[in-house]
Amino acid sequence: EPEVTQTPSHQVTQMGQEVILRCVPISNHLYFYWYRQILGQKVEFLVSFYNNEISEKSEIFDDQFSVERPDGSNFTLKIRSTKLEDSAMYFCASSVGLVEEQYFGPGTRLTVT
Amino acid sequence: TQLLEQSPQFLSIQEGENLTVYCNSSSVFSSLQWYRQEPGEGPVLLVTVVTGGEVKKLKRLTFQFGDARKDSSLHITAAQPGDTGLYLCARLERKLIFGQGTTLQVKP
Repeated sequence: EPEVTQTPSHQVTQMGQEVILRCVPISNHLYFYWYRQILGQKVEFLVSFYNNEISEKSEIFDDQFSVERPDGSNFTLKIRSTKLEDSAMYFCASSVGLVEEQYFGPGTRLTVT
Repeated sequence: TQLLEQSPQFLSIQEGENLTVYCNSSSVFSSLQWYRQEPGEGPVLLVTVVTGGEVKKLKRLTFQFGDARKDSSLHITAAQPGDTGLYLCARLERKLIFGQGTTLQVKP
């Protein structure tokens, strides 16, 4: 069964460093998303992406964040200068259509020290 | 921001017991989804409800959407240790807006 994959599973970085989180969405899906979940808090929407551009972004998704689909398979989330409060689980998801079921990856645990 | 409130936040029960968890909003849902999330994994969709009053069953899980489409419940019959996990409701718009979840622990 097709699934969304994410790498790495765990990333430790120092404050101020850049990180790139990678996702491979399901191959025939057209919509891609990033969500994050700070420990003990709810899953929060960050950004959606369609047709090589951002469809919608939340207040969390400030200038420190960017997304890219560099090739036909990968979807990346870059955080330019990480802060302690960026520590969280980051989930990638994809869907066939805008209001269709979203399939989530296993997440990347980002720890900023 | 249209918040989703889930209750209870934590629930610890013995195997075989029944339980109900709730999801409430002050505004009408266009559609609502229930997810289950296990530690170290992403949320997995259980069901989508769209119509007010709708009831859907998934084995021992029964999902109900309120008539006014502002609330939903998840009832588990004869809970098993394998049901342990975080149960999330989410409203589906162009993105998912999640509640804070109910952490369920089923003890053998």
